[in-house]
Amino acid sequence: QQQVKQSPQSLIVQKGGISIINCAYENTAFDYFPWYQQFPGKGPALLIAIRPDVSEKKEGRFTISFNKSAKQFSLHIMDSQPGDSATYFCAASMDSGGSNYKLTFGKGTLLTVNP
Amino acid sequence: GAVVSQHPSWVICKSGTSVKIECRSLDFQATTMFWYRQFPKQSLMLMATSNEGSKATYEQGVEKDKFLINHASLTLSTLTVTSAHPEDSSFYICSARKTGVGGEAFFGQGTRLTVV
Repeated sequence: QQQVKQSPQSLIVQKGGISIINCAYENTAFDYFPWYQQFPGKGPALLIAIRPDVSEKKEGRFTISFNKSAKQFSLHIMDSQPGDSATYFCAASMDSGGSNYKLTFGKGTLLTVNP
Repeated sequence: GAVVSQHPSWVICKSGTSVKIECRSLDFQATTMFWYRQFPKQSLMLMATSNEGSKATYEQGVEKDKFLINHASLTLSTLTVTSAHPEDSSFYICSARKTGVGGEAFFGQGTRLTVV
């Protein structure tokens, strides 16, 4: 049972456009929702993360929108650049209640930004 | 930001031999580290949770006798792939996460293992 569903699997955007990646989760006990960027042959790196007590968080060109009632969250990349071309993973974890902070990942989205 | 260093970045070994991968948390103490396996164009698959000073917790379907994990200190966890076979060839990634709700996770650069 996949606990975090990510879409689309791949995405092509023109330079300057907006990239939008969506994730849906099932476990209402999740309370931490990060997004990671991964380049080929490298480990993932944290982009931005959100807790369920806020509906939106923005850091530079990256914004997370969070809808607790729908159990969905999304990543928006504004003014997308060719350097943003990478694989993006959403994730979720149950940090409260004595869990071991284990992250559950979505399947990833391969973003290609054309110049 | 905090750094997790993973070594080696790549390794080629002969079938039947063992390979050890190190994961170091350079500037924070990590009581818990995680080991992932990633196949091409796929997501990270959690193999095990490494707990300092105690036995690792393995995910269902992961052979604990094949993938030996040792977390002897707050800054070092090792993964040993024993009696490696070509099907063990993969990209292995470790992660250390700061404790506390919403603690950031930091990933190593990954190790590309090729078994020939």
